[in-house]
Amino acid sequence: SQQGEEDPQALSIQEGENATMNCSYKTSINNLQWYRQNSGRGLVHLILIRSNEREKHSGRLRVTLDTSKKSSSLLITASRAADTASYFCATHTGGFKTIFGAGTRLFVKA
Amino acid sequence: EAQVTQNPRYLITVTGKKLTVTCSQNMNHEYMSWYRQDPGLGLRQIYYSMNVEVTDKGDVPEGYKVSRKEKRNFPLILESPSPNQTSLYFCASSDRAVDEQFFGPGTRLTVL
Repeated sequence: SQQGEEDPQALSIQEGENATMNCSYKTSINNLQWYRQNSGRGLVHLILIRSNEREKHSGRLRVTLDTSKKSSSLLITASRAADTASYFCATHTGGFKTIFGAGTRLFVKA
Repeated sequence: EAQVTQNPRYLITVTGKKLTVTCSQNMNHEYMSWYRQDPGLGLRQIYYSMNVEVTDKGDVPEGYKVSRKEKRNFPLILESPSPNQTSLYFCASSDRAVDEQFFGPGTRLTVL
């Protein structure tokens, strides 16, 4: 079953613009994480936000979490061509399973 | 260097021929997991292991087996591969299930 669903499926922007991706989930979570994947390679962890947190920053990344709406957003500011990748959210419901969404493909044009 | 390694990276095989994909981590992580990635479906968890000798099914365990005899290794076994198991497979590890996971480079498997 797919817990996280990203929106949009694909996003194309110009270098320097901001990119926003959204993730919705269905059940209560322990935490939510965002990962990046470059073209068929292994995923790289970007940021983790706990269920009792509302916002978190890391460099050019800003993540928000709204547990009442069961949704999260990832904002990449001042995007660069190197940000071109697929981005996935992953949720933990308190058990041992990890559930990933289908991902958002971001393309940043130079 | 902290890493998760997988072997082989690429494999083409035929239906029914048993195969094993190895996964090893050097970070002393307790939690390890296998995922498969298919276009449009994201990553789906196959099996996970909370510690040595402790494993459990993820969302898509049918047709796969795992074992965790040592903390660092978590092999994925396909006893009788079928074409619908053609996919990109990732192994990952973390301190605990809820922590950030470190991913291997992936194994691209084709079953003819």
